[in-house]
Amino acid sequence: QKEVEQNSGPLSVPEGAIASLNCTYSDRGSQSFFWYRQYSGKSPELIMFIYSNGDKEDGRFTAQLNKASQYVSLLIRDSQPSDSATYLCASDSGGGADGLTFGKGTHLIIQP
Amino acid sequence: DAMVIQNPRYQVTQFGKPVTLSCSQTLNHNVMYWYQQKSSQAPKLLFHYYDKDFNNEADTPDNFQSRRPNTSFCFLDIRSPGLGDAAMYLCATGRTSWPDTQYFGPGTRLTVL
Repeated sequence: QKEVEQNSGPLSVPEGAIASLNCTYSDRGSQSFFWYRQYSGKSPELIMFIYSNGDKEDGRFTAQLNKASQYVSLLIRDSQPSDSATYLCASDSGGGADGLTFGKGTHLIIQP
Repeated sequence: DAMVIQNPRYQVTQFGKPVTLSCSQTLNHNVMYWYQQKSSQAPKLLFHYYDKDFNNEADTPDNFQSRRPNTSFCFLDIRSPGLGDAAMYLCATGRTSWPDTQYFGPGTRLTVL
């Protein structure tokens, strides 16, 4: 059974600080990993994906992947109140378009 | 500009009364997915289509069926909804090319009375 684990939170971060979100995955065959943002009552919105060990930056967002530790993280710099949402981590099935395995998400609150 | 469209956005049905949810896309993606998401839970994959090839997840109840009459449309049929089927149903699309990036529609919130 493939699993993606996230701390459900809530994670409270002051405005302007760095928010750090973490996720672990069980399937070593997974090759790519995704971060989605989900506002309450809305559908998931893709933030970014990563498939190579190391860091990948996109604007205020940085994804980090460590395949040896089966660990993925997302850093949000200069956090804004509009970043308050649930962040879902997902892993692929290992190369085919067979759907994603999602974690339950971390609820992030940015305090003004 | 909407690329993945789901209708209706909100659906109320009675216990045991069949319901159909629809999804359409303008992205011309060959893969379409249906996920179920209950409150504070992870989206759970129900099934997906590669073109017309249907792929069912092993633990998807028989009560859930799907149809894909053409590239653009996909339907989720719930034959006899139970109270436990109340959830957000999410349609997503993607390509068979790697990575498996998926784009979600706005979802249909299903209430079962």
